[in-house]
Amino acid sequence: ETGVTQTPRHLVMGMTNKKSLKCEQHLGHNAMYWYKQSAKKPLELMFVYNFKEQTENNSVPSRFSPECPNSSHLFLHLHTLQPEDSALYLCASSPGLAEYNEQFFGPGTRLTVL
Amino acid sequence: GQNIDQPTEMTATEGAIVQINCTYQTSGFNGLFWYQQHAGEAPTFLSYNVLDGLEEKGRFSSFLSRSKGYSYLLLKELQMKDSASYLCAVLDSNYQLIWGAGTKLIIKP
Repeated sequence: ETGVTQTPRHLVMGMTNKKSLKCEQHLGHNAMYWYKQSAKKPLELMFVYNFKEQTENNSVPSRFSPECPNSSHLFLHLHTLQPEDSALYLCASSPGLAEYNEQFFGPGTRLTVL
Repeated sequence: GQNIDQPTEMTATEGAIVQINCTYQTSGFNGLFWYQQHAGEAPTFLSYNVLDGLEEKGRFSSFLSRSKGYSYLLLKELQMKDSASYLCAVLDSNYQLIWGAGTKLIIKP
């Protein structure tokens, strides 16, 4: 149990669907992250929030839309996705964006876009 | 550009020792992390090095040489449960984690 939960664990969607991924952390952290993990590729940082404010948006297509209503919850809204967006989406949190930046990860959502 | 290199896959025998190397080229350096990720699970923190030298934690040790842009993770007395991917990540000058693609470690009886 890492203190970071993600739902759903698996998601299959068509290219015209709209769905949302949810992440919740119970660690009292102030920073939260969305990553994309594709097979045999490095983790790709998508979005970073610190104290609910977005600090990073690494050239992510607009079909991915993040939302951070408070420091404990993070959402990733999905619409009009492409098959190449199929991947494992990981949420992580850390105490802050400070020097020692150990991140705690959730189990991920395995997304398949048909 | 920023780059982290580590072997794609390694195989070792139960009870043996294995060393997983990681080389990096990043804009700035504020520490290097090793994470373990079992198939279908979340990455979990193993170690953090910011100064040169060896950090030992039970069966796992991590080494860093900043001048060489090099680190390794040493796993001793390998157990079957050590079969996993091992991810190397560097905290750059913007305190952003730059990740390697991971090394899949296969342990054989």
